[in-house]
Amino acid sequence: GQNIDQPTEMTATEGAIVQINCTYQTSGFNGLFWYQQHAGEAPTFLSYNVLDGLEEKGRFSSFLSRSKGYSYLLLKELQMKDSASYLCAVNYGGATNKLIFGTGTLLAVQP
Amino acid sequence: DADVTQTPRNRITKTGKRIMLECSQTKGHDRMYWYRQDPGLGLRLIYYSFDVKDINKGEISDGYSVSRQAQAKFSLSLESAIPNQTALYFCATSDLTRDEQFFGPGTRLTVL
Repeated sequence: GQNIDQPTEMTATEGAIVQINCTYQTSGFNGLFWYQQHAGEAPTFLSYNVLDGLEEKGRFSSFLSRSKGYSYLLLKELQMKDSASYLCAVNYGGATNKLIFGTGTLLAVQP
Repeated sequence: DADVTQTPRNRITKTGKRIMLECSQTKGHDRMYWYRQDPGLGLRLIYYSFDVKDINKGEISDGYSVSRQAQAKFSLSLESAIPNQTALYFCATSDLTRDEQFFGPGTRLTVL
């Protein structure tokens, strides 16, 4: 079966660091995406990890361990505008580029 | 300029009505996808297409049909809408060189 788990909600303080975890069990694996989605809006791309390790992009970093079926998204220097849902998605379909999404983590950044 | 557009953005309809949601893209991508999003369930794939002659079912295709009229256009139809098809529907595109999917702004559909 296909399964992706991530926390439903998290709260953090402006200026702080937050880590959002994602674990997965899928029939195939080509890579793992993180998307940001503000309420009622389209998901927007944050990162894509294909190989193990940490990838950094500005205030956002994403880590992957394929052997553990685990990823995390690290957000630094949190801003109010980072309040959103963060979606973990696994590309499991090979050439079809089919994705399976987690239910998302709703992050609330407080002053 | 929006690269992936969806029409309508909002629609309220009644049970049993036929509904078409349209998606257009100017990104020149070959791959197009339709998803629905429900609270607590995440995004789920309905149908996907790699070119005009290629249509494939996703996880939850029952009750839906699609048409790929051109490389840039991919429509989703609900032949006879039912209330549990009330959801936020997203179209997405990707190309052969990158796996990233680009999402349209979404259509909020309510079936009464």
